[in-house]
Amino acid sequence: DIQMTQSPPSLSAVLGDRVTITCQASQDIIDFLSWYQQRPGKPPQLLIYDASTLETGVPSRFSGGGSGTNFTFTISSLQSEDIATYYCLQYDKFPRTFGQGTKVEIK
Amino acid sequence: EVQLVESGGGLVQPGGSLRLSCTASGYLFSSYWMSWVRQAPGKGLEWVATIKQDGSTKDYLHSVEGRFSILRDNAKNTIYLYMSSLSADDTAVYYCARDMQEGLTDYWGQGTLVTVSS
Repeated sequence: DIQMTQSPPSLSAVLGDRVTITCQASQDIIDFLSWYQQRPGKPPQLLIYDASTLETGVPSRFSGGGSGTNFTFTISSLQSEDIATYYCLQYDKFPRTFGQGTKVEIK
Repeated sequence: EVQLVESGGGLVQPGGSLRLSCTASGYLFSSYWMSWVRQAPGKGLEWVATIKQDGSTKDYLHSVEGRFSILRDNAKNTIYLYMSSLSADDTAVYYCARDMQEGLTDYWGQGTLVTVSS
């Protein structure tokens, strides 16, 4: 199975800060990686797919990059509504595997 | 608007069985792969099972293979997850999910809680 190592597990940042989360795959997944936002008590929401494609309706302050085994997710200017846990997901091979999640809080 | 509504969760004893259902609306159900993803209390997301548009292909998480079965009824816009030999490790919120392409989930239901406890 492909292991997804996501870091950091949590972070605290000031409103307006640039925030970056990374995901490392245990083998090459080309660009079959997506990012999800999960607010407390809610289901996840798709933000980014194919490593860097912004889902329709998602604010442009969210972006993704990378290929192969190393990927990044960035919030260019942190807003209060971005408080959530973020997950990466590889969908290159079954079983699909998620990263452990990154909890983003306001400092 | 895409809507996915799960039902069937509840409290079940260890070793017991349960059937979850998910009814979809707002899109052409028979054109999409569908999946179940679960989340144990306070934990991360874990993919459980996926079924192809016509039901001919199914994939399962290793730990549920042989115990869980995913099915769909395209006439009813519904997928099911039959779960048996349940243990405490299966306690989680189970989300129904639509896959915009094989493996890639774009919409999620609100989830249904399954609690395995005596």
